[in-house]
Amino acid sequence: SAVISQKPSRDICQRGTSLTIQCQVDSQVTMMFWYRQQPGQSLTLIATANQGSEATYESGFVIDKFPISRPNLTFSTLTVSNMSPEDSSIYLCSSPGPGNTIYFGEGSWLTVV
Amino acid sequence: KQEVTQIPAALSVPEGENLVLNCSFTDSAIYNLQWFRQDPGKGLTSLLLIQSSQREQTSGRLNASLDKSSGRSTLYIAASQPGDSATYLCAGSTNDYKLSFGAGTTVTVRA
Repeated sequence: SAVISQKPSRDICQRGTSLTIQCQVDSQVTMMFWYRQQPGQSLTLIATANQGSEATYESGFVIDKFPISRPNLTFSTLTVSNMSPEDSSIYLCSSPGPGNTIYFGEGSWLTVV
Repeated sequence: KQEVTQIPAALSVPEGENLVLNCSFTDSAIYNLQWFRQDPGKGLTSLLLIQSSQREQTSGRLNASLDKSSGRSTLYIAASQPGDSATYLCAGSTNDYKLSFGAGTTVTVRA
């Protein structure tokens, strides 16, 4: 299976600030994805992190709010910009692994106060 | 856009009873169907993946079936244990690995 590590695991952030979440995969992967899970909700895809090009965002998500970097085939970052309490969520990184199974990191739990 | 529905939203059973969790999806052109487990305060753990050409997958006490024509998948957990208490999520994927999730079924197994 693929091992995906995320940092930070948890953080409490002040309104109006920005936070960058890191995602590291233990092997080179073509595709990496970022999801959001709001309290009591299921997961929603934010964007696909493309290596060497701009991320592809899903409807309702924009680059100014969620800038994403993908500098190489094992690493990606997601920044949550100008945070408000509505951004309090779990942010999860994922990638396909062996046998097309999709694996997730442990998530980054953000609370905005 | 793939819509995924899970029924029931919550389930409480005594230990030893078999669990049946249902998942339905709207787009029969689904690529893969994957079941996940999420414990409180944790990320997602992959349980089973059923590829579009398959009808079922088994792992230990878990068995998942896929019927593309009716747009349904079922996860069976045999002889439930308190350690099976968690939220179970099903997700359908496209051929570019994007997942559409159901809202989940929260399972409580009573000792």
